[in-house]
Amino acid sequence: RKEVEQDPGPFNVPEGATVAFNCTYSNSASQSFFWYRQDCRKEPKLLMSVYSSGNEDGRFTAQLNRASQYISLLIRDSKLSDSATYLCVVNLRSEAAGNKLTFGGGTRVLVKP
Amino acid sequence: DAGVIQSPRHEVTEMGQEVTLRCKPISGHDYLFWYRQTMMRGLELLIYFNNNVPIDDSGMPEDRFSAKMPNASFSTLKIQPSEPRDSAVYFCASSLSGAPDLTQYFGPGTRLTVL
Repeated sequence: RKEVEQDPGPFNVPEGATVAFNCTYSNSASQSFFWYRQDCRKEPKLLMSVYSSGNEDGRFTAQLNRASQYISLLIRDSKLSDSATYLCVVNLRSEAAGNKLTFGGGTRVLVKP
Repeated sequence: DAGVIQSPRHEVTEMGQEVTLRCKPISGHDYLFWYRQTMMRGLELLIYFNNNVPIDDSGMPEDRFSAKMPNASFSTLKIQPSEPRDSAVYFCASSLSGAPDLTQYFGPGTRLTVL
């Protein structure tokens, strides 16, 4: 079983609509969670951290469910520029793990006019 | 800051040849990571360094792959001999210990094609 699993998509989203997708992680000791965004033929970049209480950044909302070991990302009022692959990322926050991040396979989102 | 710098950006080589990928991390960052990305396997961590010391190389596919970090501002990933299945995008990333978001800053990647 992969440590971080995501639905690869693609999620085809009409412009202006809302889209949401989840990711599950297998290690219950995971402490830190993030969403990265990767545009086509570009490098991944941090989109946002995911906090226990949930958090928003503009049109993006991230949620964490520790009991069920999943995190979610919701995009409201989708823009064409939101088309990208969204990577779910976890970290153990242990001394041994240090800054090592574990990436999921990504969820591809395509926003269409 | 110029960000993470990788060279070359593209490399086309023939099977059996040696390939060397280079990375310059962001100045002051003490972690350096090498990843490989393919459509089939996604983003895989190959090896990472902390303060120039290799910490975890369990992701290195086999002995044909080796990585070094001779100083804080330079790292190489070498494949010898290369095989067609090594074709992928290789990313280098760096981060700073103690940073609250553990943000990894990725370089633009090296697109490797082995014929």
